[in-house]
Amino acid sequence: DGGITQSPKYLFRKEGQNVTLSCEQNLNHDAMYWYRQDPGQGLRLIYYSQIVNDFQKGDIAEGYSVSREKKESFPLTVTSAQKNPTAFYLCASSIVLGGNSPLHFGNGTRLTVT
Amino acid sequence: AQTVTQSQPEMSVQEAETVTLSCTYDTSESDYYLFWYKQPPSRQMILVIRQEAYKQQNATENRFSVNFQKAAKSFSLKISDSQLGDAAMYFCAYPPGGGTSYGKLTFGQGTILTVHP
Repeated sequence: DGGITQSPKYLFRKEGQNVTLSCEQNLNHDAMYWYRQDPGQGLRLIYYSQIVNDFQKGDIAEGYSVSREKKESFPLTVTSAQKNPTAFYLCASSIVLGGNSPLHFGNGTRLTVT
Repeated sequence: AQTVTQSQPEMSVQEAETVTLSCTYDTSESDYYLFWYKQPPSRQMILVIRQEAYKQQNATENRFSVNFQKAAKSFSLKISDSQLGDAAMYFCAYPPGGGTSYGKLTFGQGTILTVHP
């Protein structure tokens, strides 16, 4: 079955360390996204990518970085510059980068930084 | 700023009854899409229904339907014959910039729906 795989499900890191969250999709979708979810708030867009080797900042990109070397993969690095990294992170993809193209989501990664 | 507001942090419904979740949004676009997503305890986001703003007819997907009022910028979700599996957090979302914009969604704060047997 096609889908989006995020790993790991839970991730623990010490403050000051960079950490990379994995996101892989086998849906053959061009566009991929990273969202952050905090309690009591909706999802907020961190980065998105329309095609390979291209990505754009979302609403809350500070302290994060991404790469898109392969169509299937869109890893997110949470750097030590991110002031409040503890959150639930969701990766998503869509057929194209268009407003009517529904998002397909992974199961998410819960990151805890202490 | 373009925003999405869900004014009901929590709602509850008896099994087999009907419940309506509200959503209002703010956009200057004339052509856009609106979405309702469901997030069950597994935390995976699942698309429930979507509405195209230029269509007069309200979208329907089985027990789920919307009441879309474009002038009022309101997009409510009605769940009929509620089932225990409907218990989840529900998010309203739309892409700022309209239907030809990039696929970036702005989400509401979410409504937690509890279904009582």
